[in-house]
Amino acid sequence: QKEVEQDPGPLSVPEGAIVSLNCTYSNSAFQYFMWYRQYSRKGPELLMYTYSSGNKEDGRFTAQVDKSSKYISLFIRDSQPSDSATYLCAMTPDSKLTFGKGITLSVRP
Amino acid sequence: KAGVTQTPRYLIKTRGQQVTLSCSPISGHRSVSWYQQTPGQGLQFLFEYFSETQRNKGNFPGRFSGRQFSNSRSEMNVSTLELGDSALYLCASSRSGQETQYFGPGTRLLVL
Repeated sequence: QKEVEQDPGPLSVPEGAIVSLNCTYSNSAFQYFMWYRQYSRKGPELLMYTYSSGNKEDGRFTAQVDKSSKYISLFIRDSQPSDSATYLCAMTPDSKLTFGKGITLSVRP
Repeated sequence: KAGVTQTPRYLIKTRGQQVTLSCSPISGHRSVSWYQQTPGQGLQFLFEYFSETQRNKGNFPGRFSGRQFSNSRSEMNVSTLELGDSALYLCASSRSGQETQYFGPGTRLLVL
C-alpha cells in the first residue's frame, strides 16, 4: 500500500462547477498537509498548507483535513479554465514531502 | 523576492555520463530539497540539505548525491547515468524545512 493515495484522473468539469479532489494516507506521522498545482512543464506551485484537522479557506479554495480518517480534500469553487492543471497532495512529518500521484483537472469553458 | 531558480533548464546526456544540476533557493531559506518527477512514479524525494548538511535522504541509489554551499545554494549530481534517470528534477526551498516548500521550475534531463 502506498503511503499516499490520490484519486486517479483525469477529471473534466464545466466552468463554474465545484471540484472536489481527495487523498488518503496511511502514515500517522504525517502532520503537515499541502496542495500543489502544477501547470504543464512548470514546477509545482503551493496552493494550500495546513497542519490541523478542519477546514482552511483561501479565496475559491478550501482545504479539509480529517486526521482521524487519514483523509484530505481540496475544494475549488466556481472553477475557471485557468484552474486546468495537475493537482498534487503532499504531506510530511518533517521536511521529506510524500506526494500523491496527482490528478489532471480540465475546466471546460 | 525572487523565487527558486534552477539551472540548466534542459539537459541531454548519454548513458554512462554524469550530470550536475544547480539550485538557488529563495533568499533567507536555508533548507533545500531535491525531488525527481517521472510519469510513472510521480514526485519522489531525493534528499534535503540544511546548513550544508544532508539532513534527510530518500530511497535512491548512491549514484545520486548532492551538496549545499555556505550561501545555501545546492547542487545535485548523478553519476553513471541510466535511461531511467530521464526525469524532471525539482528543487524546493524553505526557511527551515519543517514548513512550506517552494519549488523551482525544474531541470528536464533526457538520457539517451
